[in-house]
Parts: sequence; C-alpha cells; structure tokens
Amino acid sequence: NAGVTQTPKFRVLKTGQSMTLLCAQDMNHEYMYWYRQDPGMGLRLIHYSVGEGTTAKGEVPDGYNVSRLKKQNFLLGLESAAPSQTSVYFCASSYSWDSYNEQFFGPGTRLTVL
Amino acid sequence: TQLLEQSPQFLSIQEGENLTVYCNSSSVFSSLQWYRQEPGEGPVLLVTVVTGGEVKKLKRLTFQFGDARKDSSLHITAAQPGDTGLYLCAGGYYGGSQGNLIFGKGTKLSVKP
Repeated sequence: NAGVTQTPKFRVLKTGQSMTLLCAQDMNHEYMYWYRQDPGMGLRLIHYSVGEGTTAKGEVPDGYNVSRLKKQNFLLGLESAAPSQTSVYFCASSYSWDSYNEQFFGPGTRLTVL
Repeated sequence: TQLLEQSPQFLSIQEGENLTVYCNSSSVFSSLQWYRQEPGEGPVLLVTVVTGGEVKKLKRLTFQFGDARKDSSLHITAAQPGDTGLYLCAGGYYGGSQGNLIFGKGTKLSVKP
C-alpha cells in the first residue's frame, strides 16, 4: 500500500498564479484533511472532507478551495497565490472522525510563492 | 480557539541522556496523540492516550495523559541519535473550525552521538 501520496513534492509560483495540489489515499478512508505547516506555527487545518462530495472549512481556509470528487482524492487549489501562502502543505486521512483515530499523513508539498 | 502549548521548543542533548517534553492546555481533550516527524516527511503517530492518568510505554518512550486530560508528557530514556526529529502533540475534540485535532507547535529534538 502506498498510503497517502501528494503531488507535486516541490513547486515555485509567482504571485497571482494558480495551482492545484493533489492528494490520494488507498486506505478507503472517509475523512481527509489539508494542513499547512509553518515555522513556529505548527500544523493548521485548511479544509477537510467527511466523505466524497463534501468539504468543510478549517481554521485557515482563506485563499484556498478544495474538492473531493472521488473518495480517494482530495484536491487543494490556490486560485491566486500570495507570498503568505509559502508553506509546506500536508494531506492526511483517517478512518473515522473520532479524534483518537490515527491520521495518516502524506510526505508534504513544499510551496514557495515569489 | 483552543491552544496546546509545547515545551521546550528546541532540545539538543547527548546520546544516553534522558529528556521530557511537555504539552499543556487550559482545555480538556477527549484524547491526546503524539506524532514524530522527520525532515522532509509527514508526521507519524507514536501513541494515543484517552483516559486521564493513562501511561503508555513504547520501548524507551513513556507517554502520560494528565488526570484532568489537559496536559501530557513524553519522556525518553537513554536517547539515541535515531530519536532525532520533531515531536508533535495533538489534542482531540469534537467539532469546530479547528477540525478534530489541535496540534501543538512541536519540540525539535536533536540527539548528538
């Protein structure tokens, strides 16, 4: 099993450009999450999904959109990138919403916005 | 907004030393997880504690959940270079814009041979 995979691993954008980050999981998990990790800030939730076709805002959703058209995929979009969105983005998935369930993380996408 | 404070933020020790990392909050959590993250990778779960006062051991690592379920500690005995990494605690709760897990900012551990 590949677990959680993320594409791409690295990306450099110019301010105003758009891009989509792809997350895929092969564990048949219902719940998927997008986090960003910044130095000194820890992991912060951007958006999450509780099932195919459903998404919800997390703690820091502004400037991002998401879609969950297929159960195994969760896409994170940046419509007009800003330097403040320079960060490492992690996708995660879990079997259930219960907080004691393990979240499985992908390897991350390092995004730089110039 | 619920907060989890981790301390210390950085820790550099010699191989063989013992250390403790703390995770504190004013909020009560339903569970507490500890993750370890290596450079260039995503966090990986080490342990979940759910009962106040619970103690779990994983080889040289001992995890404790506070009686009031507001704090937790991670103790490493005889640290080894392989223990080097970022240790994150995550408090579990239900609902809210922060999702179902609140992450601390992490403790960056470096164990020198």
